[in-house]
Amino acid sequence: GAGVSQSPSNKVTEKGKDVELRCDPISGHTALYWYRQRLGQGLEFLIYFQGNSAPDKSGLPSDRFSAERTGESVSTLTIQRTQQEDSAVYLCASSSLRFAGGAYEQYFGPGTRLTVT
Amino acid sequence: DAKTTQPTSMDCAEGRAANLPCNHSTISGNEYVYWYRQIHSQGPQYIIHGLKNNETNEMASLIITEDRKSSTLILPHATLRDTAVYYCIVRVVDSKLTFGKGITLSVRP
Repeated sequence: GAGVSQSPSNKVTEKGKDVELRCDPISGHTALYWYRQRLGQGLEFLIYFQGNSAPDKSGLPSDRFSAERTGESVSTLTIQRTQQEDSAVYLCASSSLRFAGGAYEQYFGPGTRLTVT
Repeated sequence: DAKTTQPTSMDCAEGRAANLPCNHSTISGNEYVYWYRQIHSQGPQYIIHGLKNNETNEMASLIITEDRKSSTLILPHATLRDTAVYYCIVRVVDSKLTFGKGITLSVRP
């Protein structure tokens, strides 16, 4: 079936502008994650949605970052007043319980490469 | 989540088995061992996970020591396409993944 999709694949924006990144998770996956990966670095957790629970926002680096998710579908990550240090690949992942007592594996999208000039 | 320790890099000849070690000496009883890999310019890809028993799937085998303080990911017949950064992660069910630096596997012809 279809995997996690993200749009746009590439985004170039000027410093100070707002950007919105979109993630379409795998259908039926209740959990959705956003990560950031700067050039040559590992992944940094940003935010986690699980069903109707309050999201875990502990990874958001500043109040310029926010994310929303409608039910168990699309999520958008918004970065306001972008800065050059926001340049990175933003990755979305979704997961679902495979069997009772099992562990969730996350399936990643291809990412959105954000460049702030 | 418990931390993991991996070598920085290793290389392997094409067609041979690649054995990637991981130490996780502070793992808790309810934490699973996960392996992901990231091929250049792509998103991470799930490989395999386990709790305490050894696991095998179409991609790899996971060997977990009896005390669960270390594990080894085995790619039985490495190919050039297996060149990637491999991440060993321990986590409780349905929690965020904490990626360390991983191990860079280079498969040579």
